Amino acid sequence: EPEVTQTPSHQVTQMGQEVILRCVPISNHLYFYWYRQILGQKVEFLVSFYNNEISEKSEIFDDQFSVERPDGSNFTLKIRSTKLEDSAMYFCASSPETTEQYFGPGTRLTVT
Amino acid sequence: AQSVTQLGSHVSVSEGALVLLRCNYSSSVPPYLFWYVQYPNQGLQLLLKYTTGATLVKGINGFEAEFKKSETSFHLTKPSAHMSDAAEYFCAVTLNTGGFKTIFGAGTRLFVKA
Repeated sequence: EPEVTQTPSHQVTQMGQEVILRCVPISNHLYFYWYRQILGQKVEFLVSFYNNEISEKSEIFDDQFSVERPDGSNFTLKIRSTKLEDSAMYFCASSPETTEQYFGPGTRLTVT
Repeated sequence: AQSVTQLGSHVSVSEGALVLLRCNYSSSVPPYLFWYVQYPNQGLQLLLKYTTGATLVKGINGFEAEFKKSETSFHLTKPSAHMSDAAEYFCAVTLNTGGFKTIFGAGTRLFVKA
């Protein structure tokens, strides 16, 4: 059964460094998403992406964040200059249309 | 503003008892409604969804939920809890507001006692 994959599973970085989190969505899906979950808190929407552009983003998704689909398979989230409060689990998701989303296992980002 | 409220951050039931996890939403547009389950250190797994049509939807592992528009609710139930049901459950709403955005509730941790 096809699934969304994410790499790395755990990323440790120093404050101020740039990180790129990678996702491989399910191959025939058209919509892509990033969410984050700070430890012990709820899952928060960051951004949705369709047809090579952002279709919706939250207040969290500021200028420090960017997304890209560099080729036909990967979908990346870049944080330009990480802050301590960026430490969280980041989930990628994809969907064939606009309803059911399939989530990846997540990347745990730790900023020190 | 759109929001999702899950009543009770923790719910404890005995094995074999009814499970009821409550979810209410606020939305200015017709919502798509979901329940997800998250086991420790894992991602989110879809339990069930409501998009259109029948308001009582059945999902995996014996769970079901009923969309009640008049009450803006989408409560999750299971007639008989199993130990394996112990997990965190998230209610979510996907909205088409020009783009697509999913809002999650704060989650309810379900404990199942032997």
